[in-house]
Amino acid sequence: SQTIHQWPATLVQPVGSPLSLECTVEGTSNPNLYWYRQAAGRGLQLLFYSVGIGQISSEVPQNLSASRPQDRQFILSSKKLLLSDSGFYLCAWSVSNSPLHFGNGTRLTVT
Amino acid sequence: DAKTTQPPSMDCAEGRAANLPCNHSTISGNEYVYWYRQIHSQGPQYIIHGLKNNETNEMASLIITEDRKSSTLILPHATLRDTAVYYCIVRPPGGANNLFFGTGTRLTVIP
Repeated sequence: SQTIHQWPATLVQPVGSPLSLECTVEGTSNPNLYWYRQAAGRGLQLLFYSVGIGQISSEVPQNLSASRPQDRQFILSSKKLLLSDSGFYLCAWSVSNSPLHFGNGTRLTVT
Repeated sequence: DAKTTQPPSMDCAEGRAANLPCNHSTISGNEYVYWYRQIHSQGPQYIIHGLKNNETNEMASLIITEDRKSSTLILPHATLRDTAVYYCIVRPPGGANNLFFGTGTRLTVIP
């Protein structure tokens, strides 16, 4: 069966520090991969999605970037974190018309 | 993509049916209706989806009106573990695409 792993679960980082969040999917090939962010009390905002290795689409301009170095690996990065980058970051995957399946998220607090 | 409108909150007595409404009056003919739920501090969990026919699975039933402008998610016998935020989403078929998660309906199941 397919599983999705996200880490770390929680992270506290100072303003101006770099960020790297990793997501991996097991049990499927060539998935569509997504990064979402959820601010406190708000809905989910799509940040990036990828349909294949090296193919990244950005939905909103921001301080973040994404990369897909392998088929089932999706990385969210920042060179210098801002206070506004705090939030709950969720990775998700889908194939073709299947529902999106989410990981358990990373709660990032920028101090 | 079409957007959805949901009530911000609902209460339901434990053991009773929970009926969660959703309006999607601008839905296109090929867009599916999806329902997810999010329990506090976890990633959203897929519940059910449909195009125009009513659907049922082990978790819930989905009733879509004939004109497809609204739908209702039914949890037949709500339990305390069903307390969560429920999201109604419309999604075009195929590929990677932006699922717009609004703020959903916060369902509280009362003992």
